Amino acid sequence: DAGVIQSPRHEVTEMGQEVTLRCKPISGHNSLFWYRQTMMRGLELLIYFNNNVPIDDSGMPEDRFSAKMPNASFSTLKIQPSEPRDSAVYFCASSFDISGNTIYFGEGSWLTVV
Amino acid sequence: DQQVKQNSPSLSVQEGRISILNCDYTNSMFDYFLWYKKYPAEGPTFLISISSIKDKNEDGRFTVFLNKSAKHLSLHIVPSQPGDSAVYFCAASGNTGGFKTIFGAGTRLFVKA
Repeated sequence: DAGVIQSPRHEVTEMGQEVTLRCKPISGHNSLFWYRQTMMRGLELLIYFNNNVPIDDSGMPEDRFSAKMPNASFSTLKIQPSEPRDSAVYFCASSFDISGNTIYFGEGSWLTVV
Repeated sequence: DQQVKQNSPSLSVQEGRISILNCDYTNSMFDYFLWYKKYPAEGPTFLISISSIKDKNEDGRFTVFLNKSAKHLSLHIVPSQPGDSAVYFCAASGNTGGFKTIFGAGTRLFVKA
């Protein structure tokens, strides 16, 4: 299996621009997670989907952030407009939605907003 | 409100000695606990886990201990090796309104040769 695939790996953008991060979960997994890693907060859960439906988006920092999962094999995290404080590593992860299952991470998308 | 806490941002240990990483949680609905290891420029990778019905799980040099009454778990690495130098994340999951996995802030382990 190819694992969780994220793109782009690195993005540098100017403040105010729209940023779209993409994720392909592991085939057969029915839960998908978006996390953000920062020095101050470690790994923060932003949003979680189950069977393509958003279940908990309480971690999304503000309305500038949105996420979609149009089908079982694709999800996007969008930031519009982006700000310098959004600079972080964004991880996508997937798992079977049963407690006691491991979640598997992609390699992350490194975002720098200047 | 941090439901999973790793209060030590870093830990330095001599090669060959024991490394002990600690984690506390607040939500009693968590019933599965995991440790992940992260190298720079890579995604976190699963290391070891423990179910709430156990108090210890061992895998080679890695052992996780769970104290449910104290809502505390720890990861022991014996003997520590320089290749163990990484950031270690503690995580907890359970049916807390969806089977989401919550992570701590991480502890950076340095193993000195």
